[in-house]
Amino acid sequence: AQSVSQHNHHVILSEAASLELGCNYSYGGTVNLFWYVQYPGQHLQLLLKYFSGDPLVKGIKGFEAEFIKSKFSFNLRKPSVQWSDTAEYFCAVNDVAGNMLTFGGGTRLMVKP
Amino acid sequence: SQTIHQWPATLVQPVGSPLSLECTVEGTSNPNLYWYRQAAGRGLQLLFYSIGIGQISSEVPQNLSASRPQDRQFILSSKKLLLSDSGFYLCAWSVRGASQPQHFGDGTRLSIL
Repeated sequence: AQSVSQHNHHVILSEAASLELGCNYSYGGTVNLFWYVQYPGQHLQLLLKYFSGDPLVKGIKGFEAEFIKSKFSFNLRKPSVQWSDTAEYFCAVNDVAGNMLTFGGGTRLMVKP
Repeated sequence: SQTIHQWPATLVQPVGSPLSLECTVEGTSNPNLYWYRQAAGRGLQLLFYSIGIGQISSEVPQNLSASRPQDRQFILSSKKLLLSDSGFYLCAWSVRGASQPQHFGDGTRLSIL
């Protein structure tokens, strides 16, 4: 069975600080990887995804994530956060043959203006 | 474009009462459909998924059930609600097939008194 760990439950940053949110998964096979974001009062939406190819994936709003297969990691990064990035971020994994996502516990990011 | 509708947005029910949450998808055919429960700090837990009309798979044993009476309609039900059923419930859809991202509804906040 797959599992996903997000070690940071709460992160507080000042505007313009750099962001890195950790995501590690456990699964022996080939996986697809996702980051979802939920802004306050809004629905969960896809931020970026990795299926294959270049392990450095660019997403919306200046976010990127790097898949490091040897570390079973898919960390989310942004060089300079904005107040509007305040949200909860979820890492998710599914195996390439399946349709079901396994989510991490989420990281609540607060950016102070 | 595809849209997903979930209602009601909030619901307050007494213990022992029945439940029916509805989710419909527009703009696509033969979607995979999912029900999740989101708990603070625990991410999203998959409750049910469906790959077709009348085909429901349950991921965790619980007091809830799901049905798919039509291709784009997914219903979450209970005959007798428990206090532990309180939570935030999310419906999602994806294009059928592996490696497809999921798209989420706005969720229903269910409070059991």
